[in-house]
Formats: sequence, C-alpha cells, structure tokens
Amino acid sequence: DIQMTQSPSTLSASVGDRVTITCRASQSISSWLAWYQQKPGKAPKLLIYKASSLESGVPSRFSGSGSGTEFSLTISSLQPDDFATYYCQQYNSYWTFGQGTKVEIK
Amino acid sequence: EVQLVESGGGLVQPGRSLRLSCAASGFTFDDYAMHWVRQSPGKGLEWVSGISWNSGFIGYADSVKGRFTISRDNSNNSLFLQMNSLRGEDTALYYCAKSTWPAAIPGYFDYWGQGTLVTVSS
Repeated sequence: DIQMTQSPSTLSASVGDRVTITCRASQSISSWLAWYQQKPGKAPKLLIYKASSLESGVPSRFSGSGSGTEFSLTISSLQPDDFATYYCQQYNSYWTFGQGTKVEIK
Repeated sequence: EVQLVESGGGLVQPGRSLRLSCAASGFTFDDYAMHWVRQSPGKGLEWVSGISWNSGFIGYADSVKGRFTISRDNSNNSLFLQMNSLRGEDTALYYCAKSTWPAAIPGYFDYWGQGTLVTVSS
C-alpha cells in the first residue's frame, strides 16, 4: 500500500502570506496526485489534479508541483476563504489520502 | 449541475448491517467510476471502495474487505454500499464521490456528495 505523509499537520498564517504544504509518497506515484480543500461541515473540494493541473474555477493563487514522491501545494497570497484543511491524495495505485493540513489564522 | 445525494445512514448496533445509497444526477452516470470515502469524526479522509463504470473493477480498503460490498445500478443512476458486520471503528460520515474516468484507475474525485452519517454503537 502507498502511504501519503503531509507536513505540517497545522499551519498558522496571516492573510497575504505565501503558504506551502508538502506531501510525500512512500513510493513513486508519477504525477498521479490530487489536492482537496475541506471546510468544516462541508465535502472536500478538488483543487489540483495530476500534481499541477488547476481544476476549473479554482483561483490561480493555488498551484501544485512535484512528481515521483515529493509534492507541494502553494497558496501564493492567503485569502480569508482559504482557511481550511487540505488533503493530498494519490491515485496511482488505488487511493490514499494524506492525514491533512489545517491552515489556521495566525 | 452534478448532484450526489447519499442516504441510508443512521445508528446501528455492532455486528448489524446497513445499506447506503447515492443518487446521482447531472451527468451520464454510466460513463464514470464511483467511490465511497469516509471520514471519522474529527479525522481525515479514508477511501473505502470504488467501482468502475461497468462494475468490471471493484476495490476495497483492507479495513472493510470481506464486510462491505459496493454495487451500482446504471439504469437508476445509483451507487450502493452494503455494510455488514459493522464495528465501532466504522462510525463515520460516508461520502459518495464521482471519478473523472470510467475505469476506476487512475481517476481522482471531482464531485462529492454531502455525506450520510453512520454511527455504530450499542
């Protein structure tokens, strides 16, 4: 089974900050990685697929990078609506989510 | 507009069964694989099971293998999860999710329902 490890688990930041979340796979997953945003009481929302492709309608301040085993999600200028929990997901071999990164207000 | 509406959750005793349903609309259901993902209270996301467009591929997480059965009815745009021998650790919000591919792999999930809560407790 492929394990996904996100860091940090919690991130405190201010509006306007540049924020980066990392995700590491236990084995190579090529670029078969997605990122989701989840707000309390809501279903996850797709942000990024194939490691760096922006889902339609998602603001361009979100970007993804990486391949193989190391990936990152960057928010270029954090907005009030971005305080949420973010999950990476590999879909190379079945499906596994990272444990999540909560982005909270500093 | 894509809509996924889960139902069938509730309070159930350990060892009993429950059947979840997901009604899909707004897209051609039999063109896509579908999945169940769960989230225990205050915890992260866990993939539970997935099924390809024609039921030719079916997969389960190790934690539910042998106890849960996924199925779909393409004529009625519906996805199901039969859950048997339920345990306390199965307590979670269960989401139905649409894949981006007809085959299950290598699809990711572009639409999610709002979830149905399953509580396993005596």
